[in-house]
Amino acid sequence: AQKVTQAQTEISVVEKEDVTLDCVYETRDTTYYLFWYKQPPSGELVFLIRRNSFDEQNEISGRYSWNFQKSTSSFNFTITASQVVDSAVYFCALSEEGYSTLTFGKGTMLLVSP
Amino acid sequence: DAGVIQSPRHEVTEMGQEVTLRCKPISGHDYLFWYRQTMMRGLELLIYFNNNVPIDDSGMPEDRFSAKMPNASFSTLKIQPSEPRDSAVYFCASRGGGTGPSRGELFFGEGSRLTVL
Repeated sequence: AQKVTQAQTEISVVEKEDVTLDCVYETRDTTYYLFWYKQPPSGELVFLIRRNSFDEQNEISGRYSWNFQKSTSSFNFTITASQVVDSAVYFCALSEEGYSTLTFGKGTMLLVSP
Repeated sequence: DAGVIQSPRHEVTEMGQEVTLRCKPISGHDYLFWYRQTMMRGLELLIYFNNNVPIDDSGMPEDRFSAKMPNASFSTLKIQPSEPRDSAVYFCASRGGGTGPSRGELFFGEGSRLTVL
């Protein structure tokens, strides 16, 4: 069975600080897909990134970066120089090869204060 | 290109009433999902369709819930009769890309916030 754990329920930082959101997953499949979604206060869910299990290369997109480590079953998300607009709930999700659905973690609420 | 469109955005109803939530997926997407979000349980998959056919409805809480997809551009989630514990945000999502590496990401609608009094 697939499972996603986001141990951090809530994180508070001050603007310009770097922050890392943790995600640990469980799966028996060798082929799977990992995702991060952002849910701002307005409520919609916004896709941020998808990684395939056979591609462990880390990715950077502007102030966002993702660290994928199969050895520790982790897919962590770092925001560099955080901004107030980054305040949101962030969800990590997993989809196994044989399944069409996403299993979401409980989410981490990030509060960035000025 | 229009995203996933859900209606209504907000619904307040009384216990026992029928509730119908609507979803228009992104054109060309062959998968449609209904999720429910609550504080206690987070995001839960209720049901999903592939090419308008229900594939997995194991997440549907009970017989009071039903979902249909009469065509590729429309789906409904119905609760009858509604109960206070059904209060939640219901998201519809769609994607294309099959089940292999080419699968696309899930695009979500803005959600329907349901309050049952």
